[in-house]
Amino acid sequence: QVQLVESGGGLVKPGGSLRLSCAASGFSFSDYYMKWIRQAPGKGLEWVAYISTSGSTIFYADSVKGRFSISRDYARNSLYLQMNSLRAEDTAVYYCVRGRQYGDYEKEDYWGQGTLVTVSS
Amino acid sequence: SYELTQPSSVSVSPGQTATIACSGDVLARKYARWFQQKPGQAPVLVIYKDSERPSGIPERFSGSSSGTTVTLTISGAQVEDEADYYCYSAADNSWVFGGGTKLTVL
Repeated sequence: QVQLVESGGGLVKPGGSLRLSCAASGFSFSDYYMKWIRQAPGKGLEWVAYISTSGSTIFYADSVKGRFSISRDYARNSLYLQMNSLRAEDTAVYYCVRGRQYGDYEKEDYWGQGTLVTVSS
Repeated sequence: SYELTQPSSVSVSPGQTATIACSGDVLARKYARWFQQKPGQAPVLVIYKDSERPSGIPERFSGSSSGTTVTLTISGAQVEDEADYYCYSAADNSWVFGGGTKLTVL
């Protein structure tokens, strides 16, 4: 069955760095684009980053551009999010999400359970 | 930047029809998705391509679109449908969520 398992969250000081991982299994990893989506405590959902099936196309939300870097490893079936210069407002549960493009629409059908990142001194 | 606007809360009695609207200029040219999120759980896709229902989602969930507004309808809402609902769409090299609607069924 499809599984997305995030790891790497934790407590970090402002200005610090953290690397999140998402281990994918149960499907052909290279057939799906991947995203990171986050949710601050008690708040709504926010898209963070996108990486295409080939890894050649990457987009970031303005709120993280220049600080976060998304990547994927096909040999390990894993997705990553390198987070630098962390701020208190980056505190959130980070979800790994798979999606597929079908012509003019997209379908994102599986989410991981999330990993909590807390930025605090 | 693009915005999607939805009501913060909707309340219905069990068996009634719940409707949640989501509006935004981008919806005139991009399809919407709807996610359901229950407390402490990851979101679940309930509608994609404005009105398509993934396998395993009950038939009481439906979606529609008109111009810059999409609507999620839950016909005969059940107590277990109580959750937060988010509309979501692609924009220009980005993606945007609505602020979320808390659906209360009691």
